[in-house]
Amino acid sequence: EVQLVESGGGLIQPGGSLRLSCAASGFTVSSNYMSWVRQAPGKGLEWVSILYSGGTTSYADSVKGRFTISRDNSKNTLYLQMNSLRAEDTAMYYCARDEYYWGQGTPVTVSS
Amino acid sequence: QAVLTQPSSLSASPGASASLTCTLRSGINVGAYNIYWYQQKPGSPPQYLLRYKSDSDKQQGSGVPSRFSGSKDASANAGILLISGLQSEDEADYYCMIWHNSAWVFGGGTKLTVL
Repeated sequence: EVQLVESGGGLIQPGGSLRLSCAASGFTVSSNYMSWVRQAPGKGLEWVSILYSGGTTSYADSVKGRFTISRDNSKNTLYLQMNSLRAEDTAMYYCARDEYYWGQGTPVTVSS
Repeated sequence: QAVLTQPSSLSASPGASASLTCTLRSGINVGAYNIYWYQQKPGSPPQYLLRYKSDSDKQQGSGVPSRFSGSKDASANAGILLISGLQSEDEADYYCMIWHNSAWVFGGGTKLTVL
């Protein structure tokens, strides 16, 4: 059974950094494309980043240069390193395996 | 203009059918795209419903009832999610998504009320 469990969210001050994790089970992260999608409170879904099996990455313009997606094959885990955080990055962050499987999300609040 | 436009809300009665539209921006041809549909209930992550490109190229999500189906209206340049035999449990937000310029693009979502 495919399972995705996000962690690492929390309250952080503007300008700070956080690393989100997405622990996968039931499949191999490195064999699939993996994405991060976020949802600000009361708002719609916004794609953040993707990591392909071959290692290619892509980012939304809103996070380019500040966020980095990566994986640890030995831990079968996807990460999202978030730097220079802004209030507008406040959201629930979901990881997804291709278009079909989504985790429960981890909340990030950027506030002083 | 947004890449994908969805009506913000829709109401329908139990037992009736609801047609949720996802209109692509002019210049982006709906015929070339897979349209993905998701259902999201309060406090839960999005759940994949189905993918639709054509009647011969479509996929139903695992465990998703057949009363959820996809189609396209080429004249309106839109993808459509049809929900037949509406039930109270269908009350949720519905999002469409396409791959565009190597990124996922979501519509703004439609809040479906069943009353």
